[in-house]
Amino acid sequence: GDSVTQMEGPVTLSEEAFLTINCTYTATGYPSLFWYVQYPGEGLQLLLKATKADDKGSNKGFEATYRKETTSFHLEKGSVQVSDSAVYFCALKNSGNTPLVFGKGTRLSVIA
Amino acid sequence: GAGVSQSPSNKVTEKGKDVELRCDPISGHTALYWYRQSLGQGLEFLIYFQGNSAPDKSGLPSDRFSAERTGGSVSTLTIQRTQQEDSAVYLCALGRGTNTEAFFGQGTRLTVV
Repeated sequence: GDSVTQMEGPVTLSEEAFLTINCTYTATGYPSLFWYVQYPGEGLQLLLKATKADDKGSNKGFEATYRKETTSFHLEKGSVQVSDSAVYFCALKNSGNTPLVFGKGTRLSVIA
Repeated sequence: GAGVSQSPSNKVTEKGKDVELRCDPISGHTALYWYRQSLGQGLEFLIYFQGNSAPDKSGLPSDRFSAERTGGSVSTLTIQRTQQEDSAVYLCALGRGTNTEAFFGQGTRLTVV
């Protein structure tokens, strides 16, 4: 079945550092790919998405490019802030009657 | 978020009791998911409803868990004979279509004592 693998955390960075959180997937067909974020004490929010190969999703300074050749959707941000501290989840949704599949999440802590 | 209302927001129950959790979606969302998240853990898929298709129940951890969605809208997740390991935040999410994102509610925090 479909699956998502993302790098395990926790990841600790200093403010203004460059962030990469790796995400790879296994799926048949052409799934849509997503990054969700969960800030401390809050619910899950959609951060960005890409629906086809070579699409780039972006939001709040975060970017991820749908790479079909490497089955990856790595999350990047050029300069992180303390307010970016959260848990980040990579997810995919295939067409048809299949559920949204999540990775295990990566906890990011940004220190001033 | 995005019009997903879950109730109750918090529930404390005694071990062995049955509980019912509710998800009230806004209209137009054909896909409905239930997940649970234990403290500090990732998301565990439970069940997925898509339109009039048979639900995907592959994530339900035991036969104590069941869910239904009436009239393609409101959904209830029922846990019978609750156990302490059932303590978690239960999340409902909604989606449109078959290849799109889902929007999550704030969840129900279930504590079994």
